[in-house]
Amino acid sequence: NAGVTQTPKFRILKIGQSMTLQCAQDMNHNYMYWYRQDPGMGLKLIYYSVGAGITDKGEVPNGYNVSRSTTEDFPLRLELAAPSQTSVYFCASYPGQGIKRAQPQHFGDGTRLSIL
Amino acid sequence: ILNVEQSPQSLHVQEGDSTNFTCSFPSSNFYALHWYRWETAKSPEALFVMTLNGDEKKKGRISATLNTKEGYSYLYIKGSQPEDSATYLCASGYNQGGKLIFGQGTELSVKP
Repeated sequence: NAGVTQTPKFRILKIGQSMTLQCAQDMNHNYMYWYRQDPGMGLKLIYYSVGAGITDKGEVPNGYNVSRSTTEDFPLRLELAAPSQTSVYFCASYPGQGIKRAQPQHFGDGTRLSIL
Repeated sequence: ILNVEQSPQSLHVQEGDSTNFTCSFPSSNFYALHWYRWETAKSPEALFVMTLNGDEKKKGRISATLNTKEGYSYLYIKGSQPEDSATYLCASGYNQGGKLIFGQGTELSVKP
């Protein structure tokens, strides 16, 4: 199993450009998450999804959009890139409701994004 | 707004020292406490997930305890090694498998 796969690993964007960060998992997990990591701030939740067709905002959703058309994929879209969106983005997945015991989230390797 | 606080923010120790960090979290409607180890340029790696008051978990030289009534967890590293250098994140969950609230992390540096 590949686990959680994020692409690209690195990207530089110009202000105002748009792009989509890809995330795919092959563990049949219902729950998926997008986080951003800023220095000294830990991980902040951008958006999450509890299943195909269902998404919800996290702590810092402004400037981002998501979709969840399949269980496997959870892309994150930046429509008008701004310097404040320079960050490291992590995607994670979790089995979801009904598991017998609490389990950790599984993280991808991250996408390092710079907006210049 | 739920806040998870970790202390200290950073820690510098010598090889062989034992150390511990604290994670404080709101105890109402608590479900699970997670600890992750996060090395630069890598993804966070799960260390422990604990749910019950009084839980203690151990993985090699690293162990963790949980107090859900007062809302804190301790992570201990015995005999720190340079390879233990990383950021240690804790996160608390408030429904079964739902969102996690992450602390800001404790950055550990172990000098040989």
